[in-house]
Amino acid sequence: AQSVTQLDSHVSVSEGTPVLLRCNYSSSYSPSLFWYVQHPNKGLQLLLKYTSAATLVKGINGFEAEFKKSETSFHLTKPSAHMSDAAEYFCVVSVSGTYKYIFGTGTRLKVLA
Amino acid sequence: DGGITQSPKYLFRKEGQNVTLSCEQNLNHDAMYWYRQDPGQGLRLIYYSQIVNDFQKGDIAEGYSVSREKKESFPLTVTSAQKNPTAFYLCASSIPRGRNTEAFFGQGTRLTVV
Repeated sequence: AQSVTQLDSHVSVSEGTPVLLRCNYSSSYSPSLFWYVQHPNKGLQLLLKYTSAATLVKGINGFEAEFKKSETSFHLTKPSAHMSDAAEYFCVVSVSGTYKYIFGTGTRLKVLA
Repeated sequence: DGGITQSPKYLFRKEGQNVTLSCEQNLNHDAMYWYRQDPGQGLRLIYYSQIVNDFQKGDIAEGYSVSREKKESFPLTVTSAQKNPTAFYLCASSIPRGRNTEAFFGQGTRLTVV
């Protein structure tokens, strides 16, 4: 069965410093993985998705994630945090052979001035 | 512009009352979903539909009902049987099954019991 674990419920960084949001997955098959961002009282916006074409995936707003099969991880990074990055981030795995998605419990990113 | 429209943005329900949340998409997606979001719990699947006139229960379907009479529309009714309906509700859609097909989300409806 597929599952996803976000290792930190809250992360605080200073503006201009790197961001690391951690996600581990469990999947019997080669997974489809996504990162979404949600600003307060808004819907979810796709940041990036793992397509299996490349292990390093680049997304919008300077974010990227690296798929590491040996570590079953798909961590989200950004070299330099901006105040506008403050939001909640969700790691998502799609359930193979179905339309279903499984969401992590989210990581709330706080960016300090 | 293509997208998913949820209405209303805010909804207030009295005890014992049924309410219906609207979700419309013009992305020509076959699959549509309803999720409930509570603080610290991520998103939990209520119902999903892969095709018109067909839908399946998700993980927390009790107290909810849906219909899928048109491809574009997937309304969710929160019935009086739902004991704790106060939450943020998100509708989503996706293209037919395939690898790496992401879900697209509406802006959500915040339901509060008064």
